[in-house]
Amino acid sequence: QSALTQPASVSGSPGQSITISCTGTSSDIGGHNYVSWYQQHPGNAPKLIIYDVSSRPSGVSSRFSGSKSGNTASLTISGLQDEDEADYLCSSYRTSRPSYYVFGIGTKVTVL
Amino acid sequence: QVQLQESGPGLVKPSETLSLTCAVSGGSITSRNWWTWVRQPPGKGLEWIGETHQVTGTTNYNPSLQSRVTLSLDKSKNEFSLKVNSVNAADTAVYYCATTSLSTTWGGPWGQGTLVIVSS
Repeated sequence: QSALTQPASVSGSPGQSITISCTGTSSDIGGHNYVSWYQQHPGNAPKLIIYDVSSRPSGVSSRFSGSKSGNTASLTISGLQDEDEADYLCSSYRTSRPSYYVFGIGTKVTVL
Repeated sequence: QVQLQESGPGLVKPSETLSLTCAVSGGSITSRNWWTWVRQPPGKGLEWIGETHQVTGTTNYNPSLQSRVTLSLDKSKNEFSLKVNSVNAADTAVYYCATTSLSTTWGGPWGQGTLVIVSS
């Protein structure tokens, strides 16, 4: 089974905006709005930052935003800050038989 | 506030069974409906293992692991367990337990994770 496709790395300077893509299929990202994004700092558990394509859990900065077009979801980080340097993983629900959750391989964000 | 802590052997021999427990503290396991295990091989992305519902007992598994995995939940002990049979080196990973109050994703809390190495 294939994971969702993400770029290996993205970088940006403080204050800039960056966008991370996550490509799936019509059986997952393209088939519904169950797309999530997680932030993971080294040695820590993942932290949910976006769910249902563009919703933010309570306490998550508004600098994080999500969107989707067709089979590709995107995470945008605005006003990049040093603490945003982390891995970002996308996730969706694959509606095959049986259905299951699938994750991306992760994108390393580097703040220059 | 509900907190999760994984525990179990850090080293398992090939072909043996990996057994992990997720202890729930700061609240009842019945405070959330769905409980899950997710793993992350060193330097790689996350892989969803499976989930179980604490009321109905419904359990769903990743089809790639379904034949080797068993999830169980013990309300009396306030804990959630994972067993993976016939392990091999590809099962080496950090294993996380997690729950959610959301219906479409794993919003947490998550445990801190525990590294399991499969090696002779």
